[in-house]
Amino acid sequence: SQTIHQWPATLVQPVGSPLSLECTVEGTSNPNLYWYRQAAGRGLQLLFYSVGIGQISSEVPQNLSASRPQDRQFILSSKKLLLSDSGFYLCAWSNGARQPQHFGDGTRLSIL
Amino acid sequence: GQQLNQSPQSMFIQEGEDVSMNCTSSSIFNTWLWYKQDPGEGPVLLIALYKAGELTSNGRLTAQFGITRKDSFLNISASIPSDVGIYFCAGHPISYNAGKSTFGDGTTLTVKP
Repeated sequence: SQTIHQWPATLVQPVGSPLSLECTVEGTSNPNLYWYRQAAGRGLQLLFYSVGIGQISSEVPQNLSASRPQDRQFILSSKKLLLSDSGFYLCAWSNGARQPQHFGDGTRLSIL
Repeated sequence: GQQLNQSPQSMFIQEGEDVSMNCTSSSIFNTWLWYKQDPGEGPVLLIALYKAGELTSNGRLTAQFGITRKDSFLNISASIPSDVGIYFCAGHPISYNAGKSTFGDGTTLTVKP
């Protein structure tokens, strides 16, 4: 069966520091991969998605970037974090255009 | 882009009561999905619907794909305390979009014992 792993679960970072969140998927090949951010009590905002290695589409302009160095690895990065980058970051995967997305357990990011 | 209107925004009910929430879109979707998110966790898929008029159950949960393909509803019967959480609807438009889902803003459910 397929599984998705996100780490770390919780992260506290100072303003201006770099960021790297990692997501890996097991049990499937060539998945579509997604990064979302969720503010407290709010809905899901799609940040990036990828349909293949090295292919990244950005949904909103921001201080973040994403990379997909391997088929089942998706990384969310920043060179300098802002206070507004705080939130709950979720990675998800799917197997096709009409297939549901399946989410990881998320990373709670707090910027001080 | 497509937007989903999910209502109600929040619900406070007594244990044992039935719950109904819905989602509407201004455009046609070919897939409707319902997720539940527990506090501090990622959303978990509850029900997936792929055909207009489709009615699907998952235990005490029932969801339907609207005939117009622009709406869907989720019912929970005989609610229990563990039903507490945020319920999201999501849909896929008919045009290819790399599997991106459009999400509603969620319905927060509180169940009083």
